Amino acid sequence: DTEVTQTPKHLVMGMTNKKSLKCEQHMGHRAMYWYKQKAKKPPELMFVYSYEKLSINESVPSRFSPECPNSSLLNLHLHALQPEDSALYLCASSPPPAGQGIRTEAFFGQGTRLTVV
Amino acid sequence: ELKVEQNPLFLSMQEGKNYTIYCNYSTTSDRLYWYRQDPGKSLESLFVLLSNGAVKQEGRLMASLDTKARLSTLHITAAVHDLSATYFCAVQRNDMRFGAGTRLTVKP
Repeated sequence: DTEVTQTPKHLVMGMTNKKSLKCEQHMGHRAMYWYKQKAKKPPELMFVYSYEKLSINESVPSRFSPECPNSSLLNLHLHALQPEDSALYLCASSPPPAGQGIRTEAFFGQGTRLTVV
Repeated sequence: ELKVEQNPLFLSMQEGKNYTIYCNYSTTSDRLYWYRQDPGKSLESLFVLLSNGAVKQEGRLMASLDTKARLSTLHITAAVHDLSATYFCAVQRNDMRFGAGTRLTVKP
């Protein structure tokens, strides 16, 4: 199983709504990532969790709140978003940088296409 | 801070021709990845390169890594239309950062 599963695939939300994006993997990866990707741009790192602890927060506004309830799940809670937050949100997982193992690849989910209206 | 530079940003190729995409990075890394992305889709893993001198090939694509020069290349041999996509390199240390991407178009 080399899948990273993201739900929902599409999300339209108003600026006063609260919603959550979910990400799940069962590869035993202990590093998980949230990226934001605007059209025709590279993925932009938002958060990194390593062994279920937040290790990197790239100065992301507090209207984005990550959560890692266990080693397989990663959530991104959204509240009071702005239209400019509309983008493709990608989750990825990998073995942590210092980790050793057979599988060394990082895998991406299919993404959630978010539209803020 | 880790910086990743990729060039060219745009590449228009004729079918049957060869070309190379370059990826430079600013600090030592643990892993280097190449991904392909089709419009509106997520990222498809192509290669992961771990050590100096690593070379991997899959079909018409070959990736190599020179950790001393902090340079990776993605070589395309005898391009075909199906290779049209955006290609990203990404470098992993404690995080994973992407180059700007190369938008490849293969024309008949």
